[in-house]
Amino acid sequence: ETGVTQSPTHLIKTRGQQVTLRCSSQSGHNTVSWYQQALGQGPQFIFQYYREEENGRGNFPPRFSGLQFPNYSSELNVNALELDDSALYLCASSSASGKSTDTQYFGPGTRLTVL
Amino acid sequence: GQQLNQSPQSMFIQEGEDVSMNCTSSSIFNTWLWYKQDPGEGPVLLIALYKAGELTSNGRLTAQFGITRKDSFLNISASIPSDVGIYFCAGLLPYNTNAGKSTFGDGTTLTVKP
Repeated sequence: ETGVTQSPTHLIKTRGQQVTLRCSSQSGHNTVSWYQQALGQGPQFIFQYYREEENGRGNFPPRFSGLQFPNYSSELNVNALELDDSALYLCASSSASGKSTDTQYFGPGTRLTVL
Repeated sequence: GQQLNQSPQSMFIQEGEDVSMNCTSSSIFNTWLWYKQDPGEGPVLLIALYKAGELTSNGRLTAQFGITRKDSFLNISASIPSDVGIYFCAGLLPYNTNAGKSTFGDGTTLTVKP
């Protein structure tokens, strides 16, 4: 059974650029959640994707967007990068049934640095 | 928004000692989750609690869901060097049974001296 994988591991961008981060969910999981973890803080919920549609969003602006593909993998896109976007971006996959989900399993994250 | 306050922020203990950390909120939560994050890794679920007053163990770890539903604590007994890491509490608000939309605290960093 393959766990949650994310790519790339590290990324350096400059302010104003756009970035795409990728996540492959664990085998058998149909739901992917994305979190932003700033240094010294806990993960903050960005949004969740279920059956290729956004299924809930945290307090993040529209320049944070995402996609989920038929194989349940997912992308997080951030436009017009700001310095405060520097963080570890975590994705977590889980298996959803209706409104409930089982335990979520996190990937190792992508470290984004915005200069 | 809802905030989870974890304390202490960091702990330095000797190997073999017991550890206690807690998580409080002004909001009521339906579910409490405790995670551990090692450097370069994502959080890993340690214990899940679903009912007020519930006490659950996982090896040397014990966690409790507070009766007021606004707090939870995690105890680690007889700490060992591999217990080093950041421990996060996370909660699910009432009517939210979707663990993928958890609210996280800011973590307790544990250092264990051999």
